[in-house]
Amino acid sequence: KQEVTQIPAALSVPEGENLVLNCSFTDSAIYNLQWFRQDPGKGLTSLLLIQSSQREQTSGRLNASLDKSSGRSTLYIAASQPGDSATYLCAVRPGTGGFKTIFGAGTRLFVKA
Amino acid sequence: EPEVTQTPSHQVTQMGQEVILRCVPISNHLYFYWYRQILGQKVEFLVSFYNNEISEKSEIFDDQFSVERPDGSNFTLKIRSTKLEDSAMYFCASSVGLEETQYFGPGTRLLVL
Repeated sequence: KQEVTQIPAALSVPEGENLVLNCSFTDSAIYNLQWFRQDPGKGLTSLLLIQSSQREQTSGRLNASLDKSSGRSTLYIAASQPGDSATYLCAVRPGTGGFKTIFGAGTRLFVKA
Repeated sequence: EPEVTQTPSHQVTQMGQEVILRCVPISNHLYFYWYRQILGQKVEFLVSFYNNEISEKSEIFDDQFSVERPDGSNFTLKIRSTKLEDSAMYFCASSVGLEETQYFGPGTRLLVL
C-alpha cells in the first residue's frame, strides 16, 4: 500500500533563505507526483506536476525533483519570501492503473520577514 | 483563468440529515474527483468520476455517499445520512486527462452537529 511521508512537518526560515522540502513514498511504481500549496482554511493550489518519466520540473523560484528508484521527491524554493508561508503538500498517483491520489501530511512553512 | 468552484462554502447540518455539496469543474475537463480533509489530517481521496460513472472509490466512500453529474457543468457529492465524523473540508477537483494536473476548488466546510 502506497504511503507518502513529508519531512519536516514544520519549518521556519528567515526571508531570503533557500530551502528544501522532502517527500518520500513507499512504492516506486507511480504515475506522477504533484506538489501543492495550501493556505490556512483554503483549497489546494497546484505548483508542479512531475510525470514518472521526468526527473524535475521548474516554475519560477520553485524546482521539484523526482527520484523514483529511491522513492523521493524534493521541492526547492529559492530566495524564500513571507508570501511563501503556507503548507506544502506532496501527492502521488500510484502507477497501478487507478485514479486515486495519495497525499502526504504536508510541511508547514513559515518565512519570517 | 478558469477555476473550479464549490458551493456552499460552509454548511452546518444536524446528524442524520442529507447534504449535497456542489461543484462546477473547469469546462473542458473530463476527470472529476472528491476529496476530504478532516481538521488537522491528510487530504483523503473519496471518489473519481469519468465518462459519467465512478471510476474508483476509496473505503471511505460507502453507501452513504453518492456522486452525480446531473448536467454538463455540475458535479455533486451527496451524503445521505450525515454522521459527526463526516465533519470535514470537502474538496472537488478536476483534470483534463488522467496524467494531467488536478485543479482543486476552494472547498466546502461541513460541520455535522
